[in-house]
Amino acid sequence: EAQVTQNPRYLITVTGKKLTVTCSQNMNHEYMSWYRQDPGLGLRQIYYSMNVEVTDKGDVPEGYKVSRKEKRNFPLILESPSPNQTSLYFCASSGSAYEKLFFGSGTQLSVL
Amino acid sequence: GDSVTQMEGPVTLSEEAFLTINCTYTATGYPSLFWYVQYPGEGLQLLLKATKADDKGSNKGFEATYRKETTSFHLEKGSVQVSDSAVYFCALPYNFNKFYFGSGTKLNVKP
Repeated sequence: EAQVTQNPRYLITVTGKKLTVTCSQNMNHEYMSWYRQDPGLGLRQIYYSMNVEVTDKGDVPEGYKVSRKEKRNFPLILESPSPNQTSLYFCASSGSAYEKLFFGSGTQLSVL
Repeated sequence: GDSVTQMEGPVTLSEEAFLTINCTYTATGYPSLFWYVQYPGEGLQLLLKATKADDKGSNKGFEATYRKETTSFHLEKGSVQVSDSAVYFCALPYNFNKFYFGSGTKLNVKP
């Protein structure tokens, strides 16, 4: 089954404790991206990647890092989380530019 | 710059009522336009899309027409069901793999 898998589904952590949210897709997609969803703001792109070792900032990249060492994986790293990063995070992938996004089920992160 | 503006929710309807969720866009050029739906506890999934002006996207009884003259892509359904309760997002792609999403409209359908 074609899917984007994110883990964990829920995460509660404390300020400053490094964490990684994993994302994997099994569709051989070139494009992958991370979004955060906040009430009243819709989805905002954090980072995106057009291929292995090619990443670029989205609209709200501050406080986040990504890497794309393999085509299928695109982890999101918060090196020093802060409470304003409490949000619902989605990973997405697509097979070509300007085309349909496939989303993971989301990671609800709470930073205390 | 490019953007999408979506009507605010929540929208509450009775089953079998007519639904319209407004979406207007600002874009350079004529990009494809998308509607995504997010059911409770799930990620977004594509509902429908239109690739050029006057195109109509449709799926699961939902329709939206890409109107260049009014820069709109309103979502409609003639008879909503309880199972349509979800959050709906209008989206506009730009710059390869970047999308602008509207703020989302929550639909509640009561039996």
